[in-house]
Amino acid sequence: NAGVTQTPKFQVLKTGQSMTLQCAQDMNHNSMYWYRQDPGMGLRLIYYSASEGTTDKGEVPNGYNVSRLNKREFSLRLESAAPSQTSVYFCASSEAPGSFLAKNIQYFGAGTRLSVL
Amino acid sequence: QKEVEQNSGPLSVPEGAIASLNCTYSDRGSQSFFWYRQYSGKSPELIMFIYSNGDKEDGRFTAQLNKASQYVSLLIRDSQPSDSATYLCAVLEDTGFQKLVFGTGTRLLVSP
Repeated sequence: NAGVTQTPKFQVLKTGQSMTLQCAQDMNHNSMYWYRQDPGMGLRLIYYSASEGTTDKGEVPNGYNVSRLNKREFSLRLESAAPSQTSVYFCASSEAPGSFLAKNIQYFGAGTRLSVL
Repeated sequence: QKEVEQNSGPLSVPEGAIASLNCTYSDRGSQSFFWYRQYSGKSPELIMFIYSNGDKEDGRFTAQLNKASQYVSLLIRDSQPSDSATYLCAVLEDTGFQKLVFGTGTRLLVSP
C-alpha cells in the first residue's frame, strides 16, 4: 500500500498563476486534511474533510479551495498564487476521528514544495 | 483553538544520553496527545500517543503526561544520531470534529 500520495512533489509558480495539488489515500480513511508548514510556524491546517462529501475551513483557509472528489481523493487549489503561499504542503488522512484514540492518528503524504515567485 | 507550545531548540545531546522533549498546552480540558517525528525534508510520522496521566513506554521512547501541570514530555533513552529530527507535539481538539493542533516542534541533535 502506498498510504498517502501527493502530486506534484515540487512546483514553481509565478504570482497570479493557478494550480491544483492532488492527494490520494488507499487506506479507506474517512477524513482527510491539508496543512501548510512554514519555518517557525509548525503545521497549520488549511482545510479538512471529515467524510466524503464534506469540507470545512481550518486555521488558514484564505486563498485556497478544496474538493473531496471521492473517498480516496482530496485536492487543494490555489486560484491566484501569491508569494505568501510559498510553503511546504502536506496532505494527511485519518480513519474516523472519534473516541477511539487510534482512529485519530493522521498519516501524512510526502509533501509538495511550492515556490511562488 | 487550543495552543501547544514547544521550545524550538535545537536540543543537543550526546549519543547514548536521554533526550527530554517538552510540550505545554493551554486547555486544561485537553485529553489526548500525539508525538510525531519529522526528519529534515520529510513528512511527520507518528511515534506514539498518550491520553492518561503517567507514563507510556514504547521501546526507547516514553511519553509522560501531567494534566495537573498541563505538560506532556517525550523521553528518548540511549539517543542515537538517527534520532536527530524535529519532534512535533499535537493535542486532539474536539470542537465538533476531532482534529490535531500541532506545536511548532523541537529540533533534536544527537552527536556521536
